[in-house]
Amino acid sequence: KAGVTQTPRYLIKTRGQQVTLSCSPISGHRSVSWYQQTPGQGLQFLFEYFSETQRNKGNFPGRFSGRQFSNSRSEMNVSTLELGDSALYLCASSLDSPDQPQHFGDGTRLSIL
Amino acid sequence: QKEVEQDPGPLSVPEGAIVSLNCTYSNSAFQYFMWYRQYSRKGPELLMYTYSSGNKEDGRFTAQVDKSSKYISLFIRDSQPSDSATYLCAMRKYGGSQGNLIFGKGTKLSVKP
Repeated sequence: KAGVTQTPRYLIKTRGQQVTLSCSPISGHRSVSWYQQTPGQGLQFLFEYFSETQRNKGNFPGRFSGRQFSNSRSEMNVSTLELGDSALYLCASSLDSPDQPQHFGDGTRLSIL
Repeated sequence: QKEVEQDPGPLSVPEGAIVSLNCTYSNSAFQYFMWYRQYSRKGPELLMYTYSSGNKEDGRFTAQVDKSSKYISLFIRDSQPSDSATYLCAMRKYGGSQGNLIFGKGTKLSVKP
């Protein structure tokens, strides 16, 4: 069974640009969450989507947004990039049941110049 | 005070040693507890997933949860060089969505041959 797939793996952007990252969850998983990982702050929750609806949101500015499609694939978008947005962006998927854990992809490494 | 505290290490042990990794937390609403292993340039990989208090064993790994002390542990028996990685504890509240995991900062473990 294929795991969570994230594309692209690496991305370099400049300040002020915008970026879109993609995530394909494990087959059958309808819950998709996004996290930001930095050396200073560790892993921080961005948002979660289920059935094309945002179900939960972390404490990030509105420049960070996401969406989910009917096939459960998800994208996140960051507009007006700042140097501090350089991070590893991780996507996780799970079955929609309280006793089911999240499984992570290998992330997209975003570098802002 | 951070919701989840984890000693960042680094922790260096000889091959075959028993490793003890720990996290403390402050929010008594946390009910689900996880340990993830993250290799360099990879996403977190789920190792253990437990609900409420008690012990859970899987091969060389044992997870313990003590809710009265707000303390969780991961023990690795007969540690191997391939166990060298960063270990992340994570937790979430009962009910609601699978997303919004709260992570510790991670402990970097090195197992020397």
